Formats: sequence, C-alpha cells, structure tokens
Amino acid sequence: AQSVAQPEDQVNVAEGNPLTVKCTYSVSGNPYLFWYVQYPNRGLQFLLKYITGDNLVKGSYGFEAEFNKSQTSFHLKKPSALVSDSALYFCAVRDIYQAGTALIFGKGTTLSVSS
Amino acid sequence: DGGITQSPKYLFRKEGQNVTLSCEQNLNHDAMYWYRQDPGQGLRLIYYSQIVNDFQKGDIAEGYSVSREKKESFPLTVTSAQKNPTAFYLCASSSRDGEQFFGPGTRLTVL
Repeated sequence: AQSVAQPEDQVNVAEGNPLTVKCTYSVSGNPYLFWYVQYPNRGLQFLLKYITGDNLVKGSYGFEAEFNKSQTSFHLKKPSALVSDSALYFCAVRDIYQAGTALIFGKGTTLSVSS
Repeated sequence: DGGITQSPKYLFRKEGQNVTLSCEQNLNHDAMYWYRQDPGQGLRLIYYSQIVNDFQKGDIAEGYSVSREKKESFPLTVTSAQKNPTAFYLCASSSRDGEQFFGPGTRLTVL
C-alpha cells in the first residue's frame, strides 16, 4: 500500500533561518514525489517534483527537496525563510507505474515564519 | 490555479438537498480528480476519472456521484446521503507524470 507521512503538524522558524518540512513515503515500486503549498481558502500550488535523476530537486520560490531512497524521505528545504512562506505544505507520492491514478497526500504541515 | 476552474466558490446546502459542484479544465488532461479537505485530515480522494465516460471510486465515495461526459468537465454531486458534507472541495487534473493541477476550490456549508 502506498502512504505518505508528514510527522510534524506545525513547523515554526524565524525569518532568515533555514527551514525543513519532513516527508517520508512508502510505495511498492519507484516513487514519483511532489510538494505542494496551499494558502488559506485556495487550491494547491505545485512547488516541485522528483521523478528520476538528481536527488536534489529545485523548485519554485527558492524551495528544494532531497530524495533519499534508503531513508524513503523527501524533505522540503529552503536556506532562508520568508514570512510569506507561511502556509500549509503537502507532500504527495504515487507509484511510477500507476499512471493516471491519484496522488496519495500527507496530512499537511503548517509552516509559520515569524518576523 | 491556472487552467482549472471551479464554481461556485461558496455553496450553501439545506439538509436533504443534492448540490452539484462544477469543475472545468482546459489543459487537455485525460485524468481528473475530486478531493475533500477537512482541517487536520489532508486531502481525501472522492472520485477520479482517467478517461471520458469512465470513473472510479476513491476512498470516501459514499454519498457522492460524478459524471465524465466530456474531457473538459468533471462535475461532482453531493447527495443527501452524504451525512457530513461541510468541507472544502478541490478538483484537479493531471499530466502524464502525475503532476496534479488544482482548481481554487469550493467551500460547501450545510445549513
């Protein structure tokens, strides 16, 4: 069975500090991995994805994520947080061979960046 | 939210009523999805469709129905059988690699 875990309901960081939002996954085969961000009362916006290739993926708004196959993790990172990064972040996964099937989403992590 | 529209943005339903949420996409995607979002529970899959005239139940399909008569459209009906329909509903479509593109959402409230 496929699953995604985001172990932290909330992450608090000060503006200018690095941030990490954690994600671990479980799939039967090779994963496609995604990060999305959601602002209040809005749809989800795509940040970045890992399909194959370099384990360090760079995405929108200065975010990046590192795919670690041995630890089955795909943590989201940013070197210097902004107050405007405060939002709800979702990690998602699907099996590479399950084309057309829905992504499995984690429960989300609320990121709060203080000034 | 580009390429996918949902309407209305806010919807109020009386108990016992069926209501239909609209979802339209112009991204030429084959696959479309409906999710329900409740606080602290993330996104839960209601229905999805991989191609026109075909759809599958997701994890929480009871009390909901869908149709997929056109590639661009995937409306969701919340029936009176859904006992707790107050939630934020998100529609999405996906490209071949599975990246999903989301609409802006519809917030449904039962009066």
